[in-house]
Amino acid sequence: KAGVTQTPRYLIKTRGQQVTLSCSPISGHRSVSWYQQTPGQGLQFLFEYFSETQRNKGNFPGRFSGRQFSNSRSEMNVSTLELGDSALYLCASSLVPGSTVETQYFGPGTRLLVL
Amino acid sequence: AQSVTQLGSHVSVSEGALVLLRCNYSSSVPPYLFWYVQYPNQGLQLLLKYTTGATLVKGINGFEAEFKKSETSFHLTKPSAHMSDAAEYFCAVSAGNQFYFGTGTSLTVIP
Repeated sequence: KAGVTQTPRYLIKTRGQQVTLSCSPISGHRSVSWYQQTPGQGLQFLFEYFSETQRNKGNFPGRFSGRQFSNSRSEMNVSTLELGDSALYLCASSLVPGSTVETQYFGPGTRLLVL
Repeated sequence: AQSVTQLGSHVSVSEGALVLLRCNYSSSVPPYLFWYVQYPNQGLQLLLKYTTGATLVKGINGFEAEFKKSETSFHLTKPSAHMSDAAEYFCAVSAGNQFYFGTGTSLTVIP
């Protein structure tokens, strides 16, 4: 069974631009979560989607948004990029939402560099 | 509120020596606890998890962890380090609908 895939793997943007990252969950998984990983802040939860609905959102500004499609694939968008948005963005999928029980399976991440 | 503290951002051990990575958590509800490993330029891979039941949990690659409620700890151990164990290790607690990760411990294995 294929794992979680994320595209693109690497991305370079300039300040003020916007970016869209894509995540395809493991087949049969319907919940997708996004995380931002930086050396200073570590891993921080961005949001979680299930059945095309955002179920949970972390403490990030409105420039960060996401969506989920009917096939469970998810995209996240960051508008008006800032230097501090440079990070590894990780996507994780699970069968159902509610991370208390289900294990999340992580993709390899998209490394975003903002210049 | 939930939080995770990993003591020691960098740990070095000799090949063949015991690996001990420390994790303490705080949780207002019974926690589910996880250890993940991250190799360079890769995503996170689950090593092991504790949900309920036996407090000593065995994971992949010879790792194990023990849930100690009285100490609010979930330390990760491996009896004998291998060069391939060099990576970043993250402890995480899940309560409610979110994961909370520690800041990670970078493990170096010295030949």
